[in-house]
Amino acid sequence: NAGVMQNPRHLVRRRGQEARLRCSPMKGHSHVYWYRQLPEEGLKFMVYLQKENIIDESGMPKERFSAEFPKEGPSILRIQQVVRGDSAAYFCASSPRIGNSNQPQHFGDGTRLSIL
Amino acid sequence: GESVGLHLPTLSVQEGDNSIINCAYSNSASDYFIWYKQESGKGPQFIIDIRSNMDKRQGQRVTVLLNKTVKHLSLQIAATQPGDSAVYFCAEQYSNNQFYFGTGTSLTVIP
Repeated sequence: NAGVMQNPRHLVRRRGQEARLRCSPMKGHSHVYWYRQLPEEGLKFMVYLQKENIIDESGMPKERFSAEFPKEGPSILRIQQVVRGDSAAYFCASSPRIGNSNQPQHFGDGTRLSIL
Repeated sequence: GESVGLHLPTLSVQEGDNSIINCAYSNSASDYFIWYKQESGKGPQFIIDIRSNMDKRQGQRVTVLLNKTVKHLSLQIAATQPGDSAVYFCAEQYSNNQFYFGTGTSLTVIP
């Protein structure tokens, strides 16, 4: 009964490099959400995806950040040309879709991104 | 003890006492609410949820109360244990399937 799997758990990049964060949702879940968390702060919504579709990316910076959730494989959050301010914990959550009923999100344990 | 998440982000209670963590949500149209627990180095863990057509829901040692009139949500933990020490977040869901998280309250249980 695997939960939401994120990898890597820790990622270190130098300024200007690219960071790729992966998320495999729970089995049967078709909705994926990405959040960013700074120390001592709450979760900030970034993007909401379904298979092959971006539903809402209003929380994601317009430049350097992109996300995808392909038909096969994990969801990817990609940060190009990273800067120090990108250092944070990035969490992925997934949920099923059952009609119009509310369903909780289930979270992975996050990727901690450090920019040198 | 009682804490308002946004103004008093820390709460300390004695082991065995009851804890009450409060949350003021922002959108009167929110129809679904969740409490999460986040331990250090881990992702948020689902505790309990409640829909807007209810004002109370109970789980194992936890109770969530919803007051839609004042847009207030609370989490009560009975007989608090050291393992309950964590940061607790409330989340509200709008009709667009999005979740919005509060700042969080850090609960410390004193043995």
